[in-house]
Amino acid sequence: SQTIHQWPATLVQPVGSPLSLECTVEGTSNPNLYWYRQAAGRGLQLLFYSVGIGQISSEVPQNLSASRPQDRQFILSSKKLLLSDSGFYLCAWTPVRRTFYNEQFFGPGTRLTVL
Amino acid sequence: QQQVKQSPQSLIVQKGGISIINCAYENTAFDYFPWYQQFPGKGPALLIAIRPDVSEKKEGRFTISFNKSAKQFSLHIMDSQPGDSATYFCAASSSGAGSYQLTFGKGTKLSVIP
Repeated sequence: SQTIHQWPATLVQPVGSPLSLECTVEGTSNPNLYWYRQAAGRGLQLLFYSVGIGQISSEVPQNLSASRPQDRQFILSSKKLLLSDSGFYLCAWTPVRRTFYNEQFFGPGTRLTVL
Repeated sequence: QQQVKQSPQSLIVQKGGISIINCAYENTAFDYFPWYQQFPGKGPALLIAIRPDVSEKKEGRFTISFNKSAKQFSLHIMDSQPGDSATYFCAASSSGAGSYQLTFGKGTKLSVIP
């Protein structure tokens, strides 16, 4: 069976510090991968998605970047965090070719607080 | 045209009652409509999904009703329980080439009171 992991689960960082959040998927190959941010009590904002190694599409220009160094690994980074980067970061994956539809499965999330 | 409008923003239902959440879309290319359930501090979980070739899909106490002509779909939770208290998101997607994204509604916070 497939599982998705995110770490860390929680993170408190000072303004101006760097960020690295990691997401890995097990039990599948060549998934589509997604990063979302969810502000407190708000909806899901798509930040980045990737359809393959080294292929990143950015949906919202901002202080963040994403990379996909391996097939099942997706990393969200920032060189200098802003207060507005606080939120709940969710990674999701879609099995490619298993279904014709964008059936996305979410990870457990990382709660980021920037102080 | 890419929006999915979800209502209500919050909903309070008594235990045993029916919870109804509605979504509307504009993009006629959408052909996949999932619902997600999210508990506080957790990632959203896929609850149930429908494709436009059927008007209704039922899984246990959860039912999606789909009205293609009105471009609307809704989630019905029968015999609502306190354990159903969560935020629910509707979403939509098209299956066209190069389409990789789900368009989400803004969510409905459901509270089921005993």
